[in-house]
Amino acid sequence: QKEVEQDPGPLSVPEGAIVSLNCTYSNSAFQYFMWYRQYSRKGPELLMYTYSSGNKEDGRFTAQVDKSSKYISLFIRDSQPSDSATYLCAMIIQGAQKLVFGQGTRLTINP
Amino acid sequence: DSGVTQTPKHLITATGQRVTLRCSPRSGDLSVYWYQQSLDQGLQFLIQYYNGEERAKGNILERFSAQQFPDLHSELNLSSLELGDSALYFCASSPHPREKLFFGSGTQLSVL
Repeated sequence: QKEVEQDPGPLSVPEGAIVSLNCTYSNSAFQYFMWYRQYSRKGPELLMYTYSSGNKEDGRFTAQVDKSSKYISLFIRDSQPSDSATYLCAMIIQGAQKLVFGQGTRLTINP
Repeated sequence: DSGVTQTPKHLITATGQRVTLRCSPRSGDLSVYWYQQSLDQGLQFLIQYYNGEERAKGNILERFSAQQFPDLHSELNLSSLELGDSALYFCASSPHPREKLFFGSGTQLSVL
């Protein structure tokens, strides 16, 4: 079983829809949670960084962490075609060096 | 632009050969990470350096090695290349381990 599970998709939604992307993890020692966006053939770029359970909002993006369920989510409101990319969740254990990534979910927003 | 520079952008080579990938981290970042990304394996952590010292190792093959130099740039050496080594290799940097990672644009390696 992988430490971090993420549905690879692909996920296709119409422009303006609310998108929900999710990851589950097995190790309760994970403390820091991130979402990266990766456009085709480019390096991942950091979107959201959270530590505690609860919600964190940044513009159209909301990251949600539920440590009791070992479940994290990224919501995208008013989705745009420019949001079409692969979204990777990532997490790290406090005191550890290694960031563990999910498989990534390929998202397409259709105009 | 993340500030992390990787060269070359593309590399085509033959099986059995050896190549070197280079990474310059963001100014001031002491940690450098190497990741391999292939279609079926996703983003796999290879190795991490902090201020010249190896800090963590992931699924890095014995045929692969890396180092971080005093000026903080890093090189990933891949030898006895096999077809399965074809992938995107990313370098990332951060000011300190466990802080946010900033990724370069990657080196696309094709082994023919």
